[in-house]
Amino acid sequence: RKEVEQDPGPFNVPEGATVAFNCTYSNSASQSFFWYRQDCRKEPKLLMSVYSSGNEDGRFTAQLNRASQYISLLIRDSKLSDSATYLCVVNRGNQFYFGTGTSLTVIP
Amino acid sequence: DVKVTQSSRYLVKRTGEKVFLECVQDMDHENMFWYRQDPGLGLRLIYFSYDVKMKEKGDIPEGYSVSREKKERFSLILESASTNQTSMYLCASSFPRNPYEQYFGPGTRLTVT
Repeated sequence: RKEVEQDPGPFNVPEGATVAFNCTYSNSASQSFFWYRQDCRKEPKLLMSVYSSGNEDGRFTAQLNRASQYISLLIRDSKLSDSATYLCVVNRGNQFYFGTGTSLTVIP
Repeated sequence: DVKVTQSSRYLVKRTGEKVFLECVQDMDHENMFWYRQDPGLGLRLIYFSYDVKMKEKGDIPEGYSVSREKKERFSLILESASTNQTSMYLCASSFPRNPYEQYFGPGTRLTVT
């Protein structure tokens, strides 16, 4: 079973829409959780960490459900510049486990 | 700002050649990682290192080796390049404690012909 699973999409949404991505992880001993963003032909960059209490950064909200081993990312009021691949990442010890990413295209 | 640099953005090598990919970070991070990224497979860990001269195999170490002689530098070596090693190679570094986020280099797109 994969460590981290994501729906690859693609998600094509109009500007201003709200879109949600989900991710599940298989190992309950996982310690830290992140969403990374990767633009085409670029390296992944940290978007936000994910905490059990949920956290928000502007238009982005991340949630963690440890009981269900599930992570989510909500993007409100989508902008064209949000078009990218979003990677769900789980940390355990010194290792990081990446989902294959969810592709988002925001359409004018 | 954290900087992770990789020696080449694009590299073309022939089958059987020995290939060296270099990665340098300037944040005094203990942990360094080498991944390859392929369409539909995501990022897969090749090797990581949590200290100088220390290394651990990741998920796909076959055909690769690594070297970490200095804290800031982590090298990936393809002993005898093969066409199935054509890929995007990404180096990353992190602290081994909170915050755990990784910082990536720009990647090296390696083509083996």
